[in-house]
Amino acid sequence: GESVGLHLPTLSVQEGDNSIINCAYSNSASDYFIWYKQESGKGPQFIIDIRSNMDKRQGQRVTVLLNKTVKHLSLQIAATQPGDSAVYFCAENMRGGYSTLTFGKGTMLLVSP
Amino acid sequence: NAGVTQTPKFQVLKTGQSMTLQCAQDMNHNSMYWYRQDPGMGLRLIYYSASEGTTDKGEVPNGYNVSRLNKREFSLRLESAAPSQTSVYFCASSWEGATNEKLFFGSGTQLSVL
Repeated sequence: GESVGLHLPTLSVQEGDNSIINCAYSNSASDYFIWYKQESGKGPQFIIDIRSNMDKRQGQRVTVLLNKTVKHLSLQIAATQPGDSAVYFCAENMRGGYSTLTFGKGTMLLVSP
Repeated sequence: NAGVTQTPKFQVLKTGQSMTLQCAQDMNHNSMYWYRQDPGMGLRLIYYSASEGTTDKGEVPNGYNVSRLNKREFSLRLESAAPSQTSVYFCASSWEGATNEKLFFGSGTQLSVL
């Protein structure tokens, strides 16, 4: 079954707002997490990653927060722009399975001008 | 650098036909992967190749075969296409096994099986 899931399938925000996309994971042994962005008609593009020995990691306009206690991952996008409109996927490296990533179903982010 | 290149971008097959999806990467990555993406679902792993000369099944391997032709190329073959294989297929690569690092994805192949 799906171990990585998202709370909101679609998130609509206004340009300039901050966006928060959430992800729940069920495998407490996973120790590496990634967020990908997928624009229409394109392949997923890496945004940011975080290892389980960290709680927070910042990139350019993006921040990933990891709460291992409740097995929750979030992606924060500051000053959201129309170009941020896309589907966002979280992924984890589930231990004991394939040596690759397990992806969540994705959240659509819609940014209005 | 082109990154990960997939061909073709679009393909329509009739049930029972066969075809091969091609993938090549120019980043000198050791590991390569094939995923499928269906509406409302995340990416699901079909097969992967941790290194040249090795291939392993992923989550949904039935109906597919793969060949790691060399370090650069990893092909996916549908021997007898079925409507259930209508999907968007993505090839990806990484330096080593993606347990600790990001994947680089191609732009995808949209396949329809009638």
